[in-house]
Amino acid sequence: SAVISQKPSRDICQRGTSLTIQCQVDSQVTMMFWYRQQPGQSLTLIATANQGSEATYESGFVIDKFPISRPNLTFSTLTVSNMSPEDSSIYLCSVRDRGGSQPQHFGDGTRLSIL
Amino acid sequence: GENVEQHPSTLSVQEGDSAVIKCTYSDSASNYFPWYKQELGKGPQLIIDIRSNVGEKKDQRIAVTLNKTAKHFSLHITETQPEDSAVYFCAASIGNQFHFGTGTSLTVIP
Repeated sequence: SAVISQKPSRDICQRGTSLTIQCQVDSQVTMMFWYRQQPGQSLTLIATANQGSEATYESGFVIDKFPISRPNLTFSTLTVSNMSPEDSSIYLCSVRDRGGSQPQHFGDGTRLSIL
Repeated sequence: GENVEQHPSTLSVQEGDSAVIKCTYSDSASNYFPWYKQELGKGPQLIIDIRSNVGEKKDQRIAVTLNKTAKHFSLHITETQPEDSAVYFCAASIGNQFHFGTGTSLTVIP
């Protein structure tokens, strides 16, 4: 399966600031996704990162707060904007090579704390 | 939309015993069911999956069963070892959407 690298692995940020998380894959993949995982909770899909077009956001997540880029088939970024303590969470990148009955593979996540 | 329920939320077993985690789903169109293991500080890792045209799949100590009629699927871990301790997530997939269960924290007591 693809090797997924996320940077940074963790960060502590001040409220009101923004942080950009990078996701690099070692092979070209069709689909890339961004998830949020609150401590001790399940995974919530933020958006699907579409190569060459705007990301598709899930209900409750908006582009102004979580802008996403996907310039090519191996790289994507998620920005968490104007952060508040409620944004403290783990942010996970995942990839899926193609649709149908195929798994998603996850990076190790970015652990974000907002003071 | 799809709703996936997972039980139990926590599970403790003695080393060598078996562990069973169960999930139910609501949408009969779901056709792919992966299981993930998440260790502390890591992302979820795929451990086994099953497609809707199969009733059971086994990989060494891990097996998954699927009952499409009842819309439930289960993860079975036999001869548990301390390194099996982790959080396990089930998921049900329709097309490109994955719907995750709420997770089971498994502790294997040496």
